[in-house]
Parts: sequence; C-alpha cells; structure tokens
Amino acid sequence: AQSVAQPEDQVNVAEGNPLTVKCTYSVSGNPYLFWYVQYPNRGLQFLLKYITGDNLVKGSYGFEAEFNKSQTSFHLKKPSALVSDSALYFCAVLRRGNNRLAFGKGNQVVVIP
Amino acid sequence: DTEVTQTPKHLVMGMTNKKSLKCEQHMGHRAMYWYKQKAKKPPELMFVYSYEKLSINESVPSRFSPECPNSSLLNLHLHALQPEDSALYLCASSQGDRGLSYEQYFGPGTRLTVT
Repeated sequence: AQSVAQPEDQVNVAEGNPLTVKCTYSVSGNPYLFWYVQYPNRGLQFLLKYITGDNLVKGSYGFEAEFNKSQTSFHLKKPSALVSDSALYFCAVLRRGNNRLAFGKGNQVVVIP
Repeated sequence: DTEVTQTPKHLVMGMTNKKSLKCEQHMGHRAMYWYKQKAKKPPELMFVYSYEKLSINESVPSRFSPECPNSSLLNLHLHALQPEDSALYLCASSQGDRGLSYEQYFGPGTRLTVT
C-alpha cells in the first residue's frame, strides 16, 4: 500500500519569508510524487511532480520541491511567500503501474501580510 | 490546454431525485476519475475509467452510477442519495498510458447538496 504523511495541519508564514510544506511518503518501489494546491471552492491545481531524474523539481508559481529518497520526503518550498499563496496544499504519491493516487491529509497555508 | 470542465457547478437535490453530473476533457487523456471531497479533507477516489472501461470501483454505493460514453466524457448518475453524500464531486483525467499514469488534472468540481 502507498501512503503520504503531511505532519502539520497549518503552516503560518509572513509574506516575503520562505515557505516550506513537509511531506513524507511510503510506497514499494520507485514512486511518482505530486503536489497540488486547492483554493476555496475550487478544484485541485497541479503544481509539480517528481518522476525521475533531478531531485530538485521546479513547478508553477515559483514553487519547487526536493525529492529525498533516503528520507522518503518530498517537501514543497517557495523562496518568498505571497499572500495569494494562502490555500490548501496536498502531497500525493502514485505507485508505478497503479491508477490510485494516495493523498496526504493536506496542509492549510496562511501567509500573513 | 489542461482544462477539465464540470457541470453543473452547484446542485441541490432531494433524496428521491435523479440527477447527473457531467465531466469533459479534450486533452486526449485515456484515464478519467471521480472523487468525492469533504471540506478541508483530501479527495476520496470513487471510480476510475481506463480506456473507457471501468477499472476501479472503490466500493461505492450503487446510488452512484458512473458512465463513460466516450474518451472525452464522464458522467456520474445520482439516485436516492443521502444527506451525507453532500460534498464537492471532482472529476480528473490523466494520460493513462496502459497502466502508467502521470499527473491528474482536476475540474473545478460540482458542489452537491442533498436535502
């Protein structure tokens, strides 16, 4: 079985400060890893993915994530947070050959002006 | 274009009604999904269609009936729902390349309220 842990419920950060949202995963074999963002009353928007290759992945809206196989982590980062980044963030893992996407519980990010 | 469209945006239905949710994508994706999402929670997978065939049913009650008329369309037929079925229903699609799937693209959802 595959699973994802997002240990924090809410992440508060001041505008302009670095933003980090943590994610660890458990899956047999090599994983596909994803980050999604959800604004209120909207669907999920794809931010970035790790499939293979460079451990540092760059995505939309200035976000990036680092894949760490030894720590089974895929933390989401942004160097300078904006108020508009306030949203619900989901980490997800897909086992290769499987159509079931396993989501973490989600992290509410609040960027304080 | 990475757009998945869903209609209607909002739906209020009684427990004896029959209604349908619709989803459409024109990205050439061959896997399509229905999810149910409660407030502030992650989406819960309901059904997966791969190459227009139902490949996954996550033990969803029969009052939810999916249909995939063609590779671009996905419907969810609703009948005799319960108030606890009130939620945001999300449709998604992905490349679905013969057992390998990549990122899923989500529609904006249908907000369903069962009275």
